[in-house]
Amino acid sequence: DVVMTQSPLSLPVTLGQPASISCRSSQSLVDSDGNTFLTWFQQRPGQSPRRLIYMVSNRDSGVPDRFSGSGSGTDFTLKVSRVEAEDVGVYYCMQGAHWPWTFGQGTKVEIK
Amino acid sequence: EVQLVESGGGLVQPGGSLRLSCAASGFTFSNYWMGWVRQAPGKRLEWVAKMNQDGRAKDYVDSVKGRFTVSRDNAENSLYLQMNSLRAEDSAVYSCVRPSRSGSYDHYWGQGTLVTVSS
Repeated sequence: DVVMTQSPLSLPVTLGQPASISCRSSQSLVDSDGNTFLTWFQQRPGQSPRRLIYMVSNRDSGVPDRFSGSGSGTDFTLKVSRVEAEDVGVYYCMQGAHWPWTFGQGTKVEIK
Repeated sequence: EVQLVESGGGLVQPGGSLRLSCAASGFTFSNYWMGWVRQAPGKRLEWVAKMNQDGRAKDYVDSVKGRFTVSRDNAENSLYLQMNSLRAEDSAVYSCVRPSRSGSYDHYWGQGTLVTVSS
């Protein structure tokens, strides 16, 4: 199975400051059609996960533009340009290129 | 509004069985792949199974193959997970998911139902 490794696992941030989460996969996430299926989810306390980013860098509808995704091959990053209080929660990357689809361990974002 | 509501979780002894259900609403259920994701305490999220629109294509994670069966009833807008020969390591919150890897449509999760396997 593809192993997804996130870092850091805990991320204390100051309001208004940037934050960055890394996600690395144990093999390429490019499928035979050239698509890269790397997804980012946000899970706020007490809520179900919500998709933020699909296919590496595409923001879902309603997701603030302070969230951005980048990367290629096996190395991906989620960035928040200016962290707000509502961004507290756990962030997961997930690969959908190879079954079973697999998740990172999760990164807990909290306000300092 | 898309809603996925799971039911059927509970406490079961090792070797026992449970059937989880997911009631879907707010979208045309028969048009979408559906699946189950679980999360055990302190562990990462794990895809358990998924199936296509007509139920003919199914995928399972290796750890549940031969023990779990995913099924659906498109007339009832429902997804199911029959879990047999349950083990302690199957204890987790099980969530019904309408997955989407691309931007073709949104990805939705239910709130989950807790399964505890213990004697």
